[in-house]
Amino acid sequence: AQSVTQPDIHITVSEGASLELRCNYSYGATPYLFWYVQSPGQGLQLLLKYFSGDTLVQGIKGFEAEFKRSQSSFNLRKPSVHWSDAAEYFCAVGAGNQGGKLIFGQGTELSVKP
Amino acid sequence: DAEITQSPRHKITETGRQVTLACHQTWNHNNMFWYRQDLGHGLRLIHYSYGVQDTNKGEVSDGYSVSRSNTEDLPLTLESAASSQTSVYFCASSESGYGRDGNTEAFFGQGTRLTVV
Repeated sequence: AQSVTQPDIHITVSEGASLELRCNYSYGATPYLFWYVQSPGQGLQLLLKYFSGDTLVQGIKGFEAEFKRSQSSFNLRKPSVHWSDAAEYFCAVGAGNQGGKLIFGQGTELSVKP
Repeated sequence: DAEITQSPRHKITETGRQVTLACHQTWNHNNMFWYRQDLGHGLRLIHYSYGVQDTNKGEVSDGYSVSRSNTEDLPLTLESAASSQTSVYFCASSESGYGRDGNTEAFFGQGTRLTVV
C-alpha cells in the first residue's frame, strides 16, 4: 500500500541554521511527490513538487528537496531558516493518475528559536 | 483571482445532527477533494470527485457523503455527527491528471474547524 512517513513530529532549529525535514514514501511506480506548508490557522500551500527529471527541485521561500529513489526519500532542505518558517510541513505522494488525490505524511512541526 | 472557499470556518454541533460543510471553487477545476486533518494522522482523504455527477470514497468515508451537481461546489455532509468527527476539514481542487509538464497541484481552502459535542 502507498504510504508516506515523516519520522520527526517536531523539530526546533535556531534562526539562521540549516534545516532538513525527512520524508520516506512507499509507492510501486515513479512517485509524484509534494511538500506543503501550513501556517497556523491556514490552509496548505505548495512549496515544491517532483514529477520527473532533475532529482533536486527548487521551491518557493528558498526551499529545495532531493528525490532519492534508492532510499525512497524526498527530504526538504533550507540553508538558513527564518523565524517566519515556523509552521507545519507535510510531505505527500500523488495517489493514482489524477492530480489532487494525495497521501500525506503525519506532518512535522517546525519551531524556530531566535 | 480564482480561489477556493470553505464555509463556515468554525462550527459547533451536537451529536446526531446532520451537518453540511460547503466548498466552492472558481478555478473551474474538474477534481475536488475533501480531507480531514487530525493530530498524528496528517490529512486523510474522505471523498473526492473527478467531475459533475462523479463521487468516490476515500480512506475515511464512513459517516460522510458528497454530491457534485456542478463544477464549482462539493458539499460534504455528515449524516449523523459523532464526536469522532471533530476535526479540521479541508477542501481542495485540481486540474485533471498530472499534465504534460507535471504541473497539476492541489489548491486548498482555509479549512473548517468542526466540533461535535
